[in-house]
Amino acid sequence: DTGVSQNPRHKITKRGQNVTFRCDPISEHNRLYWYRQTLGQGPEFLTYFQNEAQLEKSRLLSDRFSAERPKGSFSTLEIQRTEQGDSAMYLCASSSRGMNTEAFFGQGTRLTVV
Amino acid sequence: AQSVAQPEDQVNVAEGNPLTVKCTYSVSGNPYLFWYVQYPNRGLQFLLKYITGDNLVKGSYGFEAEFNKSQTSFHLKKPSALVSDSALYFCAVRGMGGANNLFFGTGTRLTVIP
Repeated sequence: DTGVSQNPRHKITKRGQNVTFRCDPISEHNRLYWYRQTLGQGPEFLTYFQNEAQLEKSRLLSDRFSAERPKGSFSTLEIQRTEQGDSAMYLCASSSRGMNTEAFFGQGTRLTVV
Repeated sequence: AQSVAQPEDQVNVAEGNPLTVKCTYSVSGNPYLFWYVQYPNRGLQFLLKYITGDNLVKGSYGFEAEFNKSQTSFHLKKPSALVSDSALYFCAVRGMGGANNLFFGTGTRLTVIP
């Protein structure tokens, strides 16, 4: 499978726990994005990497959220001290170099905080 | 700031009839517009994009979209709907910053009735 891969697909956690999600982009793509999607809404941009550099972060990304992309390959998104409001689908996308190339999305990780 | 609006939460159409899913946009500068489709338990799939050139853009699965600058619209169309087209459709506009991230609408649920 050469698409964007995300793990786990589902995560249930207790409030206050830390969680980490992984995204493996399409191998030749140097751009990687994280989005969050809640029920009845479209995806909202969280952060962006070009290779290993995190170049942009949304105001939605609170201090409890951190993302990394070591070596410019896979990426991780960690949420510390989870809150019920963090419950959402977390989507990863990747795209190749270029101004207007389309992004390819993974299937997402559905987080439920109880 | 850039944004898109999808005025219809739900569109129902009979199988074999033409379908239209509406999208209007607001950007400063040239718009770069995208349509994505989301099937249950699957990630967003790219359908088509408008960057420049012909106002009628053809995409995957027989879909097309018409860019109308005077009406600031980018409606998704298909001449003959299939039951398998039933899904959630998102319009998106590219952000003006260096991240090229997308700003999505709230989505339109298309139901094709057999």
